[in-house]
Parts: sequence; C-alpha cells; structure tokens
Amino acid sequence: AQSVTQLGSHVSVSEGALVLLRCNYSSSVPPYLFWYVQYPNQGLQLLLKYTSAATLVKGINGFEAEFKKSETSFHLTKPSAHMSDAAEYFCAVRGGYQKVTFGTGTKLQVIP
Amino acid sequence: DTAVSQTPKYLVTQMGNDKSIKCEQNLGHDTMYWYKQDSKKFLKIMFSYNNKELIINETVPNRFSPKSPDKAHLNLHINSLELGDSAVYFCASSQTRNTDTQYFGPGTRLTVL
Repeated sequence: AQSVTQLGSHVSVSEGALVLLRCNYSSSVPPYLFWYVQYPNQGLQLLLKYTSAATLVKGINGFEAEFKKSETSFHLTKPSAHMSDAAEYFCAVRGGYQKVTFGTGTKLQVIP
Repeated sequence: DTAVSQTPKYLVTQMGNDKSIKCEQNLGHDTMYWYKQDSKKFLKIMFSYNNKELIINETVPNRFSPKSPDKAHLNLHINSLELGDSAVYFCASSQTRNTDTQYFGPGTRLTVL
C-alpha cells in the first residue's frame, strides 16, 4: 500500500520569498516520488522525480526536492518565488510496479 | 505538436445521457491512463491500458467503459450520466507500464446538469 499526504492545501508566499511545499509519503517498498504542477485550466506537468539515485533532485523552473527516508518526506522548495509559480502542486508516489497515487494538492499563491 | 490530446475540452450534458471523451497520444507510448479530478482537485486513477490491454481498473461504476482501439488511443464512454460525474477527466500516457513519468493531456471538463 502507498499514500501521500500534502500538508497545507493553500500556501501563500511573497514574490522573492522561499517556497516550501510539504509532502510525506508511505510506501511498503522503496518508492518513486514525483512533483507535478498544474496551471489553471491545464493538465499536469512533471516538475521533478526521485527514482532512488541522488536524494536531492533538481527540476524545472528552479524547483528542487530532497528525499529523506528517515522522515518519509519529499518536500519541494524554490529559493525565490516568481509570480509565474502560482499554480497547484501535486506530490505523487509509486511503490514498485504499483499505480501512481497522487496527493490532494497544494495551491501556491504568490503575492506581489 | 500536442503530445497527449483530448476531445472535447468542455462537455455539458443532461443527466441520463451517454457521452464519450477521446484521447490520443503521439509519443509512441505503450501505456495510457484515465484520471478523474473532482471539484476539490483530488486526482484519482480510473483505468490504465498497456498495449490495448486493461491493466488497472479501479472501483469505478460500470457505466464507465474505456476502449483502446490501438495503443495510441484510449477513449472513455460514460452511460447514463449522473450529477456526480461532473469533474475534469485527464488522459495520460507513459512509455511503458513501469515507466515513471506520465504525460498528461489538457483535460476534459464534464458538467452534468
């Protein structure tokens, strides 16, 4: 069994501030972890993924995430928020050959 | 060029009607998926096909019937539409059933009146 919990359905940050979106996972086997972004009225786009290589994963648009097995976490960060980062962000997990399970999403608001 | 495309983009219909949503991918992928995203943005997998074979069939009412005429297409037919079927339906594809990255279509917003 596998699951994902995203802490905070809404996060607001000022433009230029640090972005931190939290994700904790549960998986009975070593997981693959993903962050997807969904802009308004669009489909999901892969930001980055962890597949058991380096624990610090760099993605597109300046985002990165760190896999911490001891904390079962895969938080998404970006040093400086941009207005164009405003979107819905989804964490997802796949354990082994199971289907991908998505979290409930975190809506990021960037305040000018 | 659009990698994963869906038609229609918007679909408004009455309760009890039957409707279909079409999905096509030009990525040469083997595996395709249908997801339902509800009003709270919760994304849940419905079906997955690998080379035209059904491999994932979640607890979905049998009013929903996927059809894959070839590995580039996965259509979703819904019979006797209900109010609760209103949602955004996303098609996605991945290179194989074991591949990590899924590529999503733009979604079809279904509204049942």
